[in-house]
Amino acid sequence: DSGVTQTPKHLITATGQRVTLRCSPRSGDLSVYWYQQSLDQGLQFLIHYYNGEERAKGNILERFSAQQFPDLHSELNLSSLELGDSALYFCASSVGQINTEAFFGQGTRLTVV
Amino acid sequence: ELKVEQNPLFLSMQEGKNYTIYCNYSTTSDRLYWYRQDPGKSLESLFVLLSNGAVKQEGRLMASLDTKARLSTLHITAAVHDLSATYFCAVDIGISNFGNEKLTFGTGTRLTIIP
Repeated sequence: DSGVTQTPKHLITATGQRVTLRCSPRSGDLSVYWYQQSLDQGLQFLIHYYNGEERAKGNILERFSAQQFPDLHSELNLSSLELGDSALYFCASSVGQINTEAFFGQGTRLTVV
Repeated sequence: ELKVEQNPLFLSMQEGKNYTIYCNYSTTSDRLYWYRQDPGKSLESLFVLLSNGAVKQEGRLMASLDTKARLSTLHITAAVHDLSATYFCAVDIGISNFGNEKLTFGTGTRLTIIP
């Protein structure tokens, strides 16, 4: 157990809908990262927050947004869902200093039907 | 844009054999990570390599980093079935002090150990 908690574990929803994925980082970690894993794109970095502030953006669609709250948990919001958004979404956290490794949660498997 | 390539993509090997997975990356970096992923599961951190010439070993796995060649290797010694998984390398080129800002993953190597 990495100490990073993601909910829900599985999510099935219809196209056009909006969902929210939640992540609680390890105790003491200030950085939260979101990744998308799909068969065709592999593991893609989406976004990074540090202590409530956005630090870096990767290949994140405009339909997706995220935030990190004062208690350091983070939410990834996916809207106007398309079939191609079906993927495993991982959250990771780290202490937030250079040269520290990131620890991954169990992921949320999103299926858009 | 940073590109991280792993080879082979698929590897099937017999128990007891040795093999090496290669990870090449296109941009200067001295921070490379290896992760393991079991099917449908999360990524488990295996090694953190932070300098040229770094070598780390854990059980039957050994990882090394050559920053001049932009190459990392994951060597498997006397493979056992429990090592069957997908292995990813990931390179960090972020310059921030706030952590792994842009961890770029390789394509992964799906390793199957045959009894």
